[in-house]
Amino acid sequence: GAVVSQHPSRVICKSGTSVKIECRSLDFQATTMFWYRQFPKKSLMLMATSNEGSKATYEQGVEKDKFLINHASLTLSTLTVTSAHPEDSSFYICSAREVTAMNTEAFFGQGTRLTVV
Amino acid sequence: GENVEQHPSTLSVQEGDSAVIKCTYSDSASNYFPWYKQELGKRPQLIIDIRSNVGEKKDQRIAVTLNKTAKHFSLHITETQPEDSAVYFCAASTRGYSTLTFGKGTMLLVSP
Repeated sequence: GAVVSQHPSRVICKSGTSVKIECRSLDFQATTMFWYRQFPKKSLMLMATSNEGSKATYEQGVEKDKFLINHASLTLSTLTVTSAHPEDSSFYICSAREVTAMNTEAFFGQGTRLTVV
Repeated sequence: GENVEQHPSTLSVQEGDSAVIKCTYSDSASNYFPWYKQELGKRPQLIIDIRSNVGEKKDQRIAVTLNKTAKHFSLHITETQPEDSAVYFCAASTRGYSTLTFGKGTMLLVSP
């Protein structure tokens, strides 16, 4: 199946700093990518939909100035957590759907474990 | 928007037993229903999916059924094994580039 690569897999940062997470579709073009946040033992909560060449669409309650999303190419979307605080510590995971005539499967990146100290 | 409810939240079975996880959805326009398995600290992996023009799909020990009228779909795992232990998520969406709406997940524990 298609591959979505996310980097870094783990990051520890100091409170007040910013962290950038990259999501790449390695063998297909993704005009749309999705960013999720997952708390321990909880489900995947959609944060925003990243659209190539245009602004991201944020879910209600997600601060767009805090979680900056850039989708500059058909294979790369980035999520930047700005001025991170301990409550931003979480598992962040991206997804992209490969849409073909035969398939419409969503593939996930490896996820990024963010710890803000 | 779409709302997906999933039950139970936890499920403990003995090895060899069957496990059933049920989901309901709200948007009648949804026509794609995947199931994902997520092991601790890892990415969700698709295990089976079903489209709205099909009522049932089977892949070895795993099967999914869909009732469009009632807007519910279920995952059936037969002859469970300890390695089946994980969190399982159902999801619903329309085909194409739209997002998946996930259920809250079911933690399945298979005891030897």
